[in-house]
Amino acid sequence: QSVLTQPPSASGTPGQRVTISCSGGSSNIGSNTVNWYQQLPGTAPKLLIYSNNQRPSGVPDRFSGSKSGTSASLAISGLQSEDEADYYCAAWDDSLNGYVFGTGTKVTVL
Amino acid sequence: QLQLQESGPGLVTPSETLSLTCIVSGGSISSSGYSWAWIRQPPGKGLEWIGSIYYSGSTYSNPSLKSRVTLPVDTSKNRFSLKLSSVTAADTAVYYCARTGTTDKYYYYMDVWGKGTTVTVSS
Repeated sequence: QSVLTQPPSASGTPGQRVTISCSGGSSNIGSNTVNWYQQLPGTAPKLLIYSNNQRPSGVPDRFSGSKSGTSASLAISGLQSEDEADYYCAAWDDSLNGYVFGTGTKVTVL
Repeated sequence: QLQLQESGPGLVTPSETLSLTCIVSGGSISSSGYSWAWIRQPPGKGLEWIGSIYYSGSTYSNPSLKSRVTLPVDTSKNRFSLKLSSVTAADTAVYYCARTGTTDKYYYYMDVWGKGTTVTVSS
């Protein structure tokens, strides 16, 4: 059972803004930076956001991340059909001394 | 451009040891500042970190798997491996290898991933 909790699903129409939450605790999100991964159907995960709010080269600025206390959020603005995927938050957990992923959120473009 | 490729048997017998290798190309596995990780994803489920090996040779493993996990590295062949002993059907998953963009746990993230390899545990 993951220590980072995400809503199982989120949806929106093209052009809308969608936000995904990630709830953790003091030993993970509260102590370390948060990363987000995008997994398109049938493919390997891809780093989308690192260090709470940094985008790797090539990631559109429609994707943004934020963190406050023991929670984090991923926002997708101007939702597009190709954004339909599973999204996972992740962070190092000092108590477990290991890397933990969130439960995952499936984003559907209506 | 750094690329990672997993290889190994797609079918493993229960109670045996699962062995996978990740071949690194386009960069050196001995480069400082990085570590190398294994992650898995059971069918229809989420991602689970298995463990990481640092360029120094230090390893960290998921506490739930630690007793069964070994993470050898072969710098001469620029590859690292995963050995998971006493497997059961619950170990059936897609297994990914990845590079972490930092060794600092505060900033820890996986920035380059392999395509993954499916392993089924069945008799």
